[in-house]
Amino acid sequence: EAQVTQNPRYLITVTGKKLTVTCSQNMNHEYMSWYRQDPGLGLRQIYYSMNVEVTDKGDVPEGYKVSRKEKRNFPLILESPSPNQTSLYFCASSLFAGGHEQYFGPGTRLTVT
Amino acid sequence: KQEVTQIPAALSVPEGENLVLNCSFTDSAIYNLQWFRQDPGKGLTSLLLIQSSQREQTSGRLNASLDKSSGRSTLYIAASQPGDSATYLCAVRLKGNYGQNFVFGPGTRLSVLP
Repeated sequence: EAQVTQNPRYLITVTGKKLTVTCSQNMNHEYMSWYRQDPGLGLRQIYYSMNVEVTDKGDVPEGYKVSRKEKRNFPLILESPSPNQTSLYFCASSLFAGGHEQYFGPGTRLTVT
Repeated sequence: KQEVTQIPAALSVPEGENLVLNCSFTDSAIYNLQWFRQDPGKGLTSLLLIQSSQREQTSGRLNASLDKSSGRSTLYIAASQPGDSATYLCAVRLKGNYGQNFVFGPGTRLSVLP
């Protein structure tokens, strides 16, 4: 089944403890992206990747890192999480960055205390 | 900068009604527009994708139209059911700024009452 998977689905952590949210797609997509969703602010793009080893900042990249060493995986790294990073995170992928349908993962709900 | 708005913000209707959700965008230089459904605390499910060269797309009881020149799209839901209750999001895929190119609207929260 074609899908985007994220892990973990739920995470509660403390300020400053490094964490990684994994994202994987099995559709051989070149484009992958991370979003965060917050009440009243909607979905905002954090980082995106056009292909392996090609990543760039979205609208709200501060406090996040990403890597794209393999085509299927695009992990989101929070080196020193803070409470303002408490949010619902979505990974997405599409065949290319242009006019192709974007597929979303199930989301990761992160709480930083 | 592209802005996407959705009207109404919330809508409550009795079961069986036909309804229309609206999405507006300010920049017509788009590749496509995609409608999503989101259940509370859950992921986004793609409903319909309309390419910029298309006028409408249909899937079951859903019909989405696109008027690129006026910057508007509508999602029509026929014979609504309680299971249609969710938040509906539209998103445009922009031309130019190639990777950072997907802008979401704030959503319309739909409640269909039995």
